[in-house]
Amino acid sequence: EIVLTQSPGTLSLSPGERATLSCRASQSVSSSYLAWYQQKPGQAPRLLIYGASSRATGIPDRFSGSGSGTDFTLTISRLEPEDFAVYYCQQYGSSSWTFGQGTKVEIK
Amino acid sequence: QVQLQQSGPGLVKPSQTLSLTCAISGDSVSSNSAAWNWIRQSPSRGLEWLGRTYYRSKWYNDYAVSVKSRITINPDTSKNQFSLQLNSVTPEDTAVYYCARDRRIAAAGYYYYYMDVWGKGTTVTVSS
Repeated sequence: EIVLTQSPGTLSLSPGERATLSCRASQSVSSSYLAWYQQKPGQAPRLLIYGASSRATGIPDRFSGSGSGTDFTLTISRLEPEDFAVYYCQQYGSSSWTFGQGTKVEIK
Repeated sequence: QVQLQQSGPGLVKPSQTLSLTCAISGDSVSSNSAAWNWIRQSPSRGLEWLGRTYYRSKWYNDYAVSVKSRITINPDTSKNQFSLQLNSVTPEDTAVYYCARDRRIAAAGYYYYYMDVWGKGTTVTVSS
């Protein structure tokens, strides 16, 4: 099973700042099978990015994804108040799904 | 607009069976381009995928190794829904349970996989 490790665990930033979140896989992952989600308290995860770099429908362009192989990045160019949340990476492989443990983006 | 409506008890006794249902609107449980998943979330385990059911000329199931001996996911085409049964539960099965749709999309010579629709979640506590 592929393990996804996200870093940092918590990111303390101010609105308007840039956020860079990392997701590292224990072995190579197909980019087309790598997705990012945002989760706010009491809500289900929401799809942000699929295929490592394609924004889902309705997702603002301040969210971008990049990476390949074992290293993937989610970048939020300028944090808006509604962006403070927990972010998860996810991969599909061998007919199963795995998630990273999450990165919390909190207000500094 | 696709929506998933979850239902089921919030309290289950140890050793009993956890049963949840996810009703689908706006799509079909028999869709050839979707699969129907159960995921749970707890502070100790984070987000944990449990399994899925899908139709590709016949019905298939995939289950996580961690629960494979205890889990059953069944489609119900007459009601356009799918269900989760988890047997022999313990307090470690206490979690928020989500149903979700995953899609396989072909574009530019690649297949993309993602989960784009989620239920609101059901908090299930295992306790006597």
